[in-house]
Amino acid sequence: KAGVTQTPRYLIKTRGQQVTLSCSPISGHRSVSWYQQTPGQGLQFLFEYFSETQRNKGNFPGRFSGRQFSNSRSEMNVSTLELGDSALYLCASSLLPSGGGTDTQYFGPGTRLTVL
Amino acid sequence: AQKVTQAQTEISVVEKEDVTLDCVYETRDTTYYLFWYKQPPSGELVFLIRRNSFDEQNEISGRYSWNFQKSTSSFNFTITASQVVDSAVYFCALSDSGTYKYIFGTGTRLKVLA
Repeated sequence: KAGVTQTPRYLIKTRGQQVTLSCSPISGHRSVSWYQQTPGQGLQFLFEYFSETQRNKGNFPGRFSGRQFSNSRSEMNVSTLELGDSALYLCASSLLPSGGGTDTQYFGPGTRLTVL
Repeated sequence: AQKVTQAQTEISVVEKEDVTLDCVYETRDTTYYLFWYKQPPSGELVFLIRRNSFDEQNEISGRYSWNFQKSTSSFNFTITASQVVDSAVYFCALSDSGTYKYIFGTGTRLKVLA
């Protein structure tokens, strides 16, 4: 079974631009979560989608948004990029909503975003 | 408040040594889940283990073992006879009904020297 895939793997943007990252979950998984990883802040939860609905959201500004499609694939968008948005963005999928440990999250390789 | 503390920022050992990575958690819930993930240089987090709060049995999987102690709110991870391929950042995480999301510790970077 194929794992979680994320595209693109690397991205370079300039301040003020916007970016869209894509995540394809493991086949059959309906929940997708997004995390931002930086050296200073560690792994921080962005949001989780299950059956096309956002179930939970982390403490990030409105510039960060996401969506999920009927095939469970998910995208996240960051508008008006700032230097501080440079990070590794990780996507994780699970069969069921991961809240309360209902299910285990499996992670993709991440998209490394550099904002110049 | 939910919190996961991994006090060891970086550990270096020589190959074949045993090493223990510490994880201390905080939660008010009686039902919660603990996880360990490994992040090699490639960046992907690899799932290692999940343990629920009602199961305090220690787990052993090959060279890996986990010690869960509710009395001290700890979920420590031991690698026996470490190998160079074990070099990675290891994360402990907590999930409970209060947060409905995973809370990760800051990670411990393990360097195994040949």
